[in-house]
Amino acid sequence: DTGVSQNPRHKITKRGQNVTFRCDPISEHNRLYWYRQTLGQGPEFLTYFQNEAQLEKSRLLSDRFSAERPKGSFSTLEIQRTEQGDSAMYLCASSPRQAFEQYFGPGTRLTVT
Amino acid sequence: RKEVEQDPGPFNVPEGATVAFNCTYSNSASQSFFWYRQDCRKEPKLLMSVYSSGNEDGRFTAQLNRASQYISLLIRDSKLSDSATYLCVVTMNSGNTPLVFGKGTRLSVIA
Repeated sequence: DTGVSQNPRHKITKRGQNVTFRCDPISEHNRLYWYRQTLGQGPEFLTYFQNEAQLEKSRLLSDRFSAERPKGSFSTLEIQRTEQGDSAMYLCASSPRQAFEQYFGPGTRLTVT
Repeated sequence: RKEVEQDPGPFNVPEGATVAFNCTYSNSASQSFFWYRQDCRKEPKLLMSVYSSGNEDGRFTAQLNRASQYISLLIRDSKLSDSATYLCVVTMNSGNTPLVFGKGTRLSVIA
């Protein structure tokens, strides 16, 4: 399967714990995006990388959130001191150079208890 | 005002029916437009891009009206497998900025 992959697919954690998600984009896609989706809403943008550079961050990305893409390939999204409001589906998407469309991974569903 | 607005539905239609979804966007600088399809508890998948001249892909037709800031999707001869949430999506610049999603319109095609 050469699509975007995300791990883990599901994560249940207790409030206050840290969690880290991984995204592997489609190979040679230089742009990578993180989105968050809650029930009944469309995905909302969190942050964006072009190669290894983080070019944009949403105001939704509080100080507890950090994302990296150290070698311009896979990316990680870490949430520190999770809160119940962080419960959502975290989606990663990638896009090739000069293209507008984004291709999404299956998401990581986070439940904070 | 939300950047992208859609009627959430649900639209419940019989098989074979024609159904149309509408979407409006608030930022006149928007340059790229898409419809994505999302099945329950799955990721969004690109259905089709939307061009100013209108475009068709089989039973699906998308139209864009820049003057009215309005996008539509028409599905003809609905199939049970068309049941999903349809997300209207815009971007502000050409390929370098995030997608802005509407909340989606839920479609149920009934036998």
